Amino acid sequence: AQKVTQAQTEISVVEKEDVTLDCVYETRDTTYYLFWYKQPPSGELVFLIRRNSFDEQNEISGRYSWNFQKSTSSFNFTITASQVVDSAVYFCALMGSNYKLTFGKGTLLTVNP
Amino acid sequence: DTEVTQTPKHLVMGMTNKKSLKCEQHMGHRAMYWYKQKAKKPPELMFVYSYEKLSINESVPSRFSPECPNSSLLNLHLHALQPEDSALYLCASSQELVGNEQYFGPGTRLTVT
Repeated sequence: AQKVTQAQTEISVVEKEDVTLDCVYETRDTTYYLFWYKQPPSGELVFLIRRNSFDEQNEISGRYSWNFQKSTSSFNFTITASQVVDSAVYFCALMGSNYKLTFGKGTLLTVNP
Repeated sequence: DTEVTQTPKHLVMGMTNKKSLKCEQHMGHRAMYWYKQKAKKPPELMFVYSYEKLSINESVPSRFSPECPNSSLLNLHLHALQPEDSALYLCASSQELVGNEQYFGPGTRLTVT
């Protein structure tokens, strides 16, 4: 069975603060894929990143960075210098051998001006 | 271009109506998906098509009937729905079934009265 846990239900920060969204996963598959999606109030899920289980390199894209650690089964997401436009629900997801995306429950991030 | 389009944006239907949701992508993706999302919940997988054939049906009630007329189009036919079927219906596509990120459309917000 696969499971994704996003322990933080809601996070509220002030603009320009750094914020880290936690994601912990469980899977018995040796090959799997991890994803982050952003869902703004408009409703569309926006793909942010995909990571393969055999590639533990961390990644940075502008103000976004991701820390993948197999030893702790975590795939955390950090937004540096947050902006109001970052306000959204963020989902971490896992795909294993069953080809299905297992989503976490999501973290609602509110960035206040 | 990573666009998935969905029509209509909003739909209100009675329990005896028949309606269809439409989804289109022109990215050459071979896998297409229907998800259902209730408020404050993650998306739930309903159906998966791979190379225009139904690959996964997540035990969805028969009042929901998917159709994949060609590799770019995906329909969801609705008949005799219940009020609890009111939700955001999301379409997605990916290059292949395994290991690829899914790109989501903006969704159809369905209300069953």
